[in-house]
Amino acid sequence: AQTVTQSQPEMSVQEAETVTLSCTYDTSESDYYLFWYKQPPSRQMILVIRQEAYKQQNATENRFSVNFQKAAKSFSLKISDSQLGDAAMYFCAFNRDNYGQNFVFGPGTRLSVLP
Amino acid sequence: DGGITQSPKYLFRKEGQNVTLSCEQNLNHDAMYWYRQDPGQGLRLIYYSQIVNDFQKGDIAEGYSVSREKKESFPLTVTSAQKNPTAFYLCASSMAGLDGYTFGSGTRLTVV
Repeated sequence: AQTVTQSQPEMSVQEAETVTLSCTYDTSESDYYLFWYKQPPSRQMILVIRQEAYKQQNATENRFSVNFQKAAKSFSLKISDSQLGDAAMYFCAFNRDNYGQNFVFGPGTRLSVLP
Repeated sequence: DGGITQSPKYLFRKEGQNVTLSCEQNLNHDAMYWYRQDPGQGLRLIYYSQIVNDFQKGDIAEGYSVSREKKESFPLTVTSAQKNPTAFYLCASSMAGLDGYTFGSGTRLTVV
């Protein structure tokens, strides 16, 4: 079975600093998609960034970037210049293909941003 | 604007009652999903539907039922058979591939 692990239940970062959230996954597939979702206190799930497994280049979206290590099955999220609005639960997710039954979420990391 | 609407935002149910959570999307997405979220846990898949008039059980379907009579709508019924229904419920939809999911804003269900 495919699983997603986030080993840091809680993290904190000082405003304007950089923080990295860890995610590892387990799969025997070679082609898949990886995502990071953000869930602020409003509980609305927001897509932060996504990565296709066959692409070597790490995805970047403004202050958010990933370090994708396919051989190690690692997909960490780096948040640069942290802002108070970044405080949220962050979920790593894995999708083997187009279908919902293969979309697996990690347990989440709660990120606090300190002023 | 396109999106997913879940209603109600908060729902209270008495023991032994069935309740239905609404999920509507105007994104023209083929696939729709229901997830349950409990504290300290990730999202767990209840049911999903890839096409109208067809749906499949997810990992925790017991005590739940769904229908997909229209592309835009995917209501979830929490039946009295669900032993611990108090949770946060999220509906999502997607097109294929890398787009990932678009989520609704969720419904908080509490059994009183």
